[in-house]
Formats: sequence, C-alpha cells, structure tokens
Amino acid sequence: GIQVEQSPPDLILQEGANSTLRCNFSDSVNNLQWFHQNPWGQLINLFYIPSGTKQNGRLSATTVATERYSLLYISSSQTTDSGVYFCAVGLNSGGYQKVTFGTGTKLQVIP
Amino acid sequence: GAVVSQHPSRVICKSGTSVKIECRSLDFQATTMFWYRQFPKQSLMLMATSNEGSKATYEQGVEKDKFLINHASLTLSTLTVTSAHPEDSSFYICSAPAMSALGLTFGAGSRLTVL
Repeated sequence: GIQVEQSPPDLILQEGANSTLRCNFSDSVNNLQWFHQNPWGQLINLFYIPSGTKQNGRLSATTVATERYSLLYISSSQTTDSGVYFCAVGLNSGGYQKVTFGTGTKLQVIP
Repeated sequence: GAVVSQHPSRVICKSGTSVKIECRSLDFQATTMFWYRQFPKQSLMLMATSNEGSKATYEQGVEKDKFLINHASLTLSTLTVTSAHPEDSSFYICSAPAMSALGLTFGAGSRLTVL
C-alpha cells in the first residue's frame, strides 16, 4: 500500500517561532488533508489540499502532487498549536476513497 | 456544517464483554463511513469501511467477527467490539466524507479501556 512519511517526528519550538512540517507519499493520490490532533484526541481539519497552496491565518499549506509531497507552515507559533499534526492522503479504491494517515509530527510550543 | 458525532467518548468495560460505539452524521448523509483505531503515540490505522445497506469492508488483519460494523441508515454507523480483551484498549475514531471540498470529517473519538 501507499506509504506516508512525515518529518520531523518531533519538534519543539519557542513561542513565536515559525516551522515547516513535511509530508511525503509514495504514490499518486486524489486528495490530501492536514489535521491537528489536540491533547483530547479530536482531529481538527486544517486543510483539504490535493494541490496548490492555501492559507488560513497563521497556517498555510502547499501540495506538489507531481512530486508527492506537501508542506504545512506554521508562523508565529503559539502554545495552543501544540499537539500532533497528521497528513492524510486519499486514493480511489473500489469505488470509494481510501484514506491513509501519515506517521505524524508531534509539536510542542513552549512559552 | 459537516458534523460527525461519536458516542460514547469514554468507556471502561470488563474483559469478555461487548461494547458498542455509535457514529452519526448530524447534518449530512453518509453512505460510507470509516472506522479508525489509534494506539498511544501512533498514527491512525483504518480498520474498516462501513457501507450503508451492505457489508462492511475490512482491512487486512482486522477480525470481522470481533469488530462488528452495522450501517443501518444514511446517518448512523455502529462498531461493536465483541468479547473485548485488554489488547483491544485503544482510541477508536469514525469519519465520514461530507463534501468533496472538505474531505473527511471526524468524530471526537471513543477511548476504550478493557480491564
């Protein structure tokens, strides 16, 4: 099956710093999402971004589908940004989208 | 819009008992829902795809007789963990595709602890 690797696995930032999280996938995909999982386990949808660039406040994401990677940018990080960030890629399989999650990046923002 | 409700959020049960988890799409219909399992400090792994009105599709290595899935209506899918054992303790999350531009929407998850 498709492999989805994220880097770095762990990241510690000082509040106010910027960061870039990367998601590499091993095969062509139909869609890609970025999620933030908060300490209670809830998955928050950040971006649905099969290609191109999107921005939402301090967050932005870019997916280069032809090169099989996506980047999530966090600017001016805040302690509330802490948590685990997952990318998830979707592939058509048997009439529905099969979604595979990446390995995750655990982010800790310290004051 | 595109809200998925999952219940219960936490459940503790004795070994050998069965536990049912519900997943509801509140403001949209979902002919397909997905069930994931997440062990501590790990990623989410797809367990099965729930199809309204037909049998679920299970991923390789997932016991269909242990994890019973029922998708009886366009807004409700249930996962029943039968004869639960401590190794089944995990975080179970359901999701449903809302609109193509939104991707998947997830429930808040259910944390199962089997004593």
